[in-house]
Amino acid sequence: QKEVEQNSGPLSVPEGAIASLNCTYSDRGSQSFFWYRQYSGKSPELIMFIYSNGDKEDGRFTAQLNKASQYVSLLIRDSQPSDSATYLCAVPTNFGNEKLTFGTGTRLTIIP
Amino acid sequence: DVKVTQSSRYLVKRTGEKVFLECVQDMDHENMFWYRQDPGLGLRLIYFSYDVKMKEKGDIPEGYSVSREKKERFSLILESASTNQTSMYLCASSFAWGTEAFFGQGTRLTVV
Repeated sequence: QKEVEQNSGPLSVPEGAIASLNCTYSDRGSQSFFWYRQYSGKSPELIMFIYSNGDKEDGRFTAQLNKASQYVSLLIRDSQPSDSATYLCAVPTNFGNEKLTFGTGTRLTIIP
Repeated sequence: DVKVTQSSRYLVKRTGEKVFLECVQDMDHENMFWYRQDPGLGLRLIYFSYDVKMKEKGDIPEGYSVSREKKERFSLILESASTNQTSMYLCASSFAWGTEAFFGQGTRLTVV
């Protein structure tokens, strides 16, 4: 089992709709979870992080964490064409040796 | 603002050459990472370091080595470059385990 798994997509969502991105992880000791956005040809940039079970909202973005089921998701409300990018889930694993593992990313396209 | 700087944006090297990729961060971060990114494979961790002179293998260390002589600088070394090492290389740093990682602009390496 991979340490961090995401559906690679592509995921197409109409403009104005909700985009839902999912990520599962294998290390039960993981305590923090990150969502990065990567535009084509650019480096990843952090958009959300979450540490506690439940929801965390920041503008149009909501991160959801369920540690019992070992998944974290990202919802994007009122999707805009500028949200078209690859979204990467990142999980620090192997506590004590600082490893940071990324999923393969989900490519999201917002259709005008 | 945190700044992570990679020495080259684009690099072309010949098979068998020894290649050095340099990364410098200016925020006194403890952890530094080297990833490579290939289409469909996401970000794969090559090596990481949690302190000066300390290094840990990531998921794909074969064919690579690293050096961290100073806290702010983390170098990736391709001892004898091969065509299958043609890729985008991304350096990142983070303050501590479980905190967000900041990325450099990436180095697109082509081995011919």
